Amino acid sequence: EAGVVQSPRYKIIEKKQPVAFWCNPISGHNTLYWYRQNLGQGPELLIRYENEEAVDDSQLPKDRFSAERLKGVDSTLKIQPAELGDSAVYLCASSLDTGLGVMETQYFGPGTRLLVL
Amino acid sequence: GNSVTQMEGPVTLSEEAFLTINCTYTATGYPSLFWYVQYPGEGLQLLLKATKADDKGSNKGFEATYRKETTSFHLEKGSVQVSDSAVYFCALKGYNKLIFGAGTRLAVHP
Repeated sequence: EAGVVQSPRYKIIEKKQPVAFWCNPISGHNTLYWYRQNLGQGPELLIRYENEEAVDDSQLPKDRFSAERLKGVDSTLKIQPAELGDSAVYLCASSLDTGLGVMETQYFGPGTRLLVL
Repeated sequence: GNSVTQMEGPVTLSEEAFLTINCTYTATGYPSLFWYVQYPGEGLQLLLKATKADDKGSNKGFEATYRKETTSFHLEKGSVQVSDSAVYFCALKGYNKLIFGAGTRLAVHP
């Protein structure tokens, strides 16, 4: 079974440019997460989707970041315009949650490493 | 708020040495606890988990016991291998999301 797929793996852009990351979760997984991992730190949640609905976006900087999950499958995370401080690894994860109050295992993709110059 | 604190790395060991990576947490209630591992160039993988006090999670020779009295979830392995070299993250589940520690890099040399 294929794991979580992310693209691109690496991206270098100049500040003020837009950038987008794509994630394809494991087939059948209803919950999708975007995390940001700064150098030397653990991942921090940006947004969580249950199917098409963003149920937790409290940590998403909404002035420049946006995300969508059309049809409850693939997701795109966008930054516009990018700033120097956005340099990080952006991780996507997915899980199959049954809604019974037990958070199931999250499976992570390899991440997109972003460098803003 | 909820938080996780891990021992700073890097941890450098010889093959077959005993490993301990300390993890303590602050949380409301009794959250589920996890250890994730990140090998070079790969995504995070769940290594083991424990969902209630005194539970012991284990996998691939690694173990961790949920200690409520000391709010700890230390990772141990009796004999490390070069292939265990990676970054290890302790995490807790809070409000339907994972909260991670900063990670501890382990380097095992022959």
